[in-house]
Amino acid sequence: GESVGLHLPTLSVQEGDNSIINCAYSNSASDYFIWYKQESGKGPQFIIDIRSNMDKRQGQRVTVLLNKTVKHLSLQIAATQPGDSAVYFCAENAYTGANSKLTFGKGITLSVRP
Amino acid sequence: KAGVTQTPRYLIKTRGQQVTLSCSPISGHRSVSWYQQTPGQGLQFLFEYFSETQRNKGNFPGRFSGRQFSNSRSEMNVSTLELGDSALYLCASSLGSSGANYEQYFGPGTRLTVT
Repeated sequence: GESVGLHLPTLSVQEGDNSIINCAYSNSASDYFIWYKQESGKGPQFIIDIRSNMDKRQGQRVTVLLNKTVKHLSLQIAATQPGDSAVYFCAENAYTGANSKLTFGKGITLSVRP
Repeated sequence: KAGVTQTPRYLIKTRGQQVTLSCSPISGHRSVSWYQQTPGQGLQFLFEYFSETQRNKGNFPGRFSGRQFSNSRSEMNVSTLELGDSALYLCASSLGSSGANYEQYFGPGTRLTVT
């Protein structure tokens, strides 16, 4: 079936280090990918997105890389800060017939050590 | 601009009851999607409404239903509640239908507990 999954359930990094969060997807028809951040008690917050015609996109301190060959997506956070501690989700948008829907990965917890 | 609002924020119901959750999208957004979030299953898509029409539906039983009003506000209803329906229900709004790859903005969610 189609699924979006994350390789590791938790990631612990030292403040100031770079973080890399990985995600695998299985639907080759997916054409749009998003990373969300969810803090405790809040809804998911958009971080960055990328379309399938791109392989890299940069935001403020974040970079998303897309490798369609191996169906892999990653989120890189530069100079990780305590405020980056949260659960991160990758999501893919795939068309099923005339419609499409976002499918989310399980989520990975990023913990930043001071 | 105000964000997505959901009411109520917390709800406790007993098995067999029904519940209605409400979502007000960002002003100008016409698409509202609903998701169920549980520790075991993560975020699962329930359905999407765009211009008062259901555009897409996830793999949930018919006990889960929704609707959208002309002002884009949306409600979802769950009938004959089961213990497994305990979850955080999230609403997300976007400018256009998700099929056009518009960014979705999430509300804080409604925490439903079924006892």
